[in-house]
Amino acid sequence: ETGVTQSPTHLIKTRGQQVTLRCSSQSGHNTVSWYQQALGQGPQFIFQYYREEENGRGNFPPRFSGLQFPNYSSELNVNALELDDSALYLCASSLDQNYNSPLHFGNGTRLTVT
Amino acid sequence: KNEVEQSPQNLTAQEGEFITINCSYSVGISALHWLQQHPGGGIVSLFMLSSGKKKHGRLIATINIQEKHSSLHITASHPRDSAVYICAVVGNYGGSQGNLIFGKGTKLSVKP
Repeated sequence: ETGVTQSPTHLIKTRGQQVTLRCSSQSGHNTVSWYQQALGQGPQFIFQYYREEENGRGNFPPRFSGLQFPNYSSELNVNALELDDSALYLCASSLDQNYNSPLHFGNGTRLTVT
Repeated sequence: KNEVEQSPQNLTAQEGEFITINCSYSVGISALHWLQQHPGGGIVSLFMLSSGKKKHGRLIATINIQEKHSSLHITASHPRDSAVYICAVVGNYGGSQGNLIFGKGTKLSVKP
């Protein structure tokens, strides 16, 4: 059983650029959710994907978008990067879109925007 | 005011001590998760509970739905328990429905 893997682990981008982060979910998990964690803060929910459809979204602007593929892996895209987008981005997969089962997190991608 | 509040924010303990971390929330929930985050950033799920009490090794988690409060206990603490412990709730109505709402975390440091 493979765990959740995220790539890349670290990334440095310039303000205004675009970035794509990737997440491979735990085998058999059809739900992936993405979170942004600023330094010293708890994670903030960005959105969830269930069976390739967006299934809930937090308070993030439209320049944060995502995709889920038939194998349930997922991408997070951020356009027009801003300095405040610098954070750790975490994805988590689960068996249940309502979070009533354990979450399996990746190790995160640390994004720095300069 | 945050919807999920944890206390204390920071906790230093000596090896062997009994530790309690508290989580209070202000929204209706369907479940609550306790998570452990190590310095590298990776998060491990410790417990998912919607009522009562769960135990796994030296860790015990309890929840009181009426009081909107949960606690995470660590018995016989060890330096390897040093991490940030995060409480997250699954909202079950209104604007929070279906969302996972996180506390800011409790940073635990266990000294040998």
